[in-house]
Amino acid sequence: LAKTTQPISMDSYEGQEVNITCSHNNIATNDYITWYQQFPSQGPRFIIQGYKTKVTNEVASLFIPADRKSSTLSLPRVSLSDTAVYYCLVVTGFQKLVFGTGTRLLVSP
Amino acid sequence: KAGVTQTPRYLIKTRGQQVTLSCSPISGHRSVSWYQQTPGQGLQFLFEYFSETQRNKGNFPGRFSGRQFSNSRSEMNVSTLELGDSALYLCASSPLDMGLAGNEQFFGPGTRLTVL
Repeated sequence: LAKTTQPISMDSYEGQEVNITCSHNNIATNDYITWYQQFPSQGPRFIIQGYKTKVTNEVASLFIPADRKSSTLSLPRVSLSDTAVYYCLVVTGFQKLVFGTGTRLLVSP
Repeated sequence: KAGVTQTPRYLIKTRGQQVTLSCSPISGHRSVSWYQQTPGQGLQFLFEYFSETQRNKGNFPGRFSGRQFSNSRSEMNVSTLELGDSALYLCASSPLDMGLAGNEQFFGPGTRLTVL
């Protein structure tokens, strides 16, 4: 399973765009890149998933370069409620998710 | 659709006891996975069940076991509890079959187990 590396923490202000980059040098051909969000004392929540290029949904965008060795989660115009831990995962067809330490995002007024 | 439900939400046990946690997946989901979350080790995969069969297992001792019923509901059991078993135990369900990459998992709120 490919290991992921992401910043331990990030700070931002309301209304700003936040970009969290994740490194996954050993990603395999069949792996997908997936991001989860977790609030304290809650289970993680799926945010977005992609294989290559760019994926966008109603809450975030995911940018994946051609070599797929890294990815960037982009959160547009964050609010206080976006304060959470964000996990970058590389997922194969197996149902085993390997979580790293995640990135603690703190959004301030 | 109702989300993943876990019972009980909170549990206090003493060392040496055993505990059973329950998880009801989202209706129609056939895959159920269990995770342990602690401040020190983070989120760790325990095992995954599909159609009543364990398909994948993490690196936990045999004291941790699970099963899945024909209605996809799942239970996990921890025997001979240790202080280090205190954690948030999370259950997640997924709608898709094994072999398809990129399956989204839906997590429940977890069971907070405290071992004294």
